Formats: sequence, C-alpha cells, structure tokens
Amino acid sequence: AQKITQTQPGMFVQEKEAVTLDCTYDTSDQSYGLFWYKQPSSGEMIFLIYQGSYDEQNATEGRYSLNFQKARKSANLVISASQLGDSAMYFCAMREGPGGTSYGKLTFGQGTILTVHP
Amino acid sequence: DGGITQSPKYLFRKEGQNVTLSCEQNLNHDAMYWYRQDPGQGLRLIYYSQIVNDFQKGDIAEGYSVSREKKESFPLTVTSAQKNPTAFYLCASILRGTGGNTEAFFGQGTRLTVV
Repeated sequence: AQKITQTQPGMFVQEKEAVTLDCTYDTSDQSYGLFWYKQPSSGEMIFLIYQGSYDEQNATEGRYSLNFQKARKSANLVISASQLGDSAMYFCAMREGPGGTSYGKLTFGQGTILTVHP
Repeated sequence: DGGITQSPKYLFRKEGQNVTLSCEQNLNHDAMYWYRQDPGQGLRLIYYSQIVNDFQKGDIAEGYSVSREKKESFPLTVTSAQKNPTAFYLCASILRGTGGNTEAFFGQGTRLTVV
C-alpha cells in the first residue's frame, strides 16, 4: 500500500510568490516523523524541514513551513517568497515509529517538480 | 567532518555481473537505508537496517542484497537477478529514534550503468 502520496507531478509559481506542495500519508502508528527534501538537478538530497507526529506546533525553517493536519494525515510544504533557486524536485517522506512491523522504515513520495518563473 | 560517503560516483558493469556499492557514515547513526531512483521518479526503498547484524527488505528488494556487519557500513550488492539495474542509488542514515529535529543524511549517490 502506498504510504506517501504527492498528487502534484509539477507546479509552477511566480518568483516572490508563495507555493504549497501537497503531501498525504497513511499510517496507523501514533509515533512517526515527516520530512521534506529538495533535490536539484545535481541529484543531491537537501533536507528542508521535519515534523514529529507529537509536535503541536507546525515546523518552520526560514522560508519553509510545514502545514501539519494530523486528522487529515496531510503534511503540506509551504514555500514563501519563491526564488529562482527553488526550482527543483521536492519529496515528502515518512518514517514509521515503534509499535508497528515497519519500525524505522523511511518511505518517500513520488515527488513534485517545482518551477519558479521570473 | 561527519558525513555519509558513497563510492564510486559512477559505475559501469557488464550485464550478468554482480556489483557492490559502498556506503560509509561517521555520524554514529544507527539506521541506514538504500534507495533506487529512476529518471524523473521518486525514491524507492530497497533495504534498511536499524541496528548492526539486522536488516529488513524494503519495497523493491528483489535482485539486491545487503549486509550490516559494522555500524558505519551498509554495502549494497546488485546481483545478476536484478532485471534492470541501471539507476541512481542513494544511501541514507539517521539516528534510530524518532522525535526531535531529526534529519536523514544522504550520500552523493552512485550512478550505475549496466551495458
């Protein structure tokens, strides 16, 4: 069963505008972690932000924020004030916590290609 | 400096040959992972290991094998049974527990081409 779903294959945004990248996940665990990574054309994986399932506040890191809606099982990434250098592939991921048979499994979604226009 | 190192960066092999990709980390991380990425696609989990001498199959383990004899090392062998091994392979490591601002660190990847 697919654990992480990113429904937007591609997104376009104007420079300096905000953009939201969608991510939904599926787990019956109470303890889990959610991640967002950026992958430029070079192939390196750049960590952006992390949200633990017990964190009450939405995570923020500079221009990145994670809109965590636990009941809806969604963990959308919001990038404010987009820059040309934000053009890349973005991945959502979930790490399963203790209590299940897949403890520690770190699964990624299919990714969203973001293109920032000048 | 702490980090995770994959070698080699590019690897060419003839069809039917086994090949081993190296992944070493000096971050004192417990958990390590191997992923495969095809062009324009997401990361698919091959194998993962939470502790030394223990590992679990991921979603696409067929045709691959791993070992975890040391905490620092998690080599991946692509066997001749893997039907289409040409891909970009990424290794990652993370502290074992969840919670806190936990980041999974990635290596630079190995591009395997089978001819």
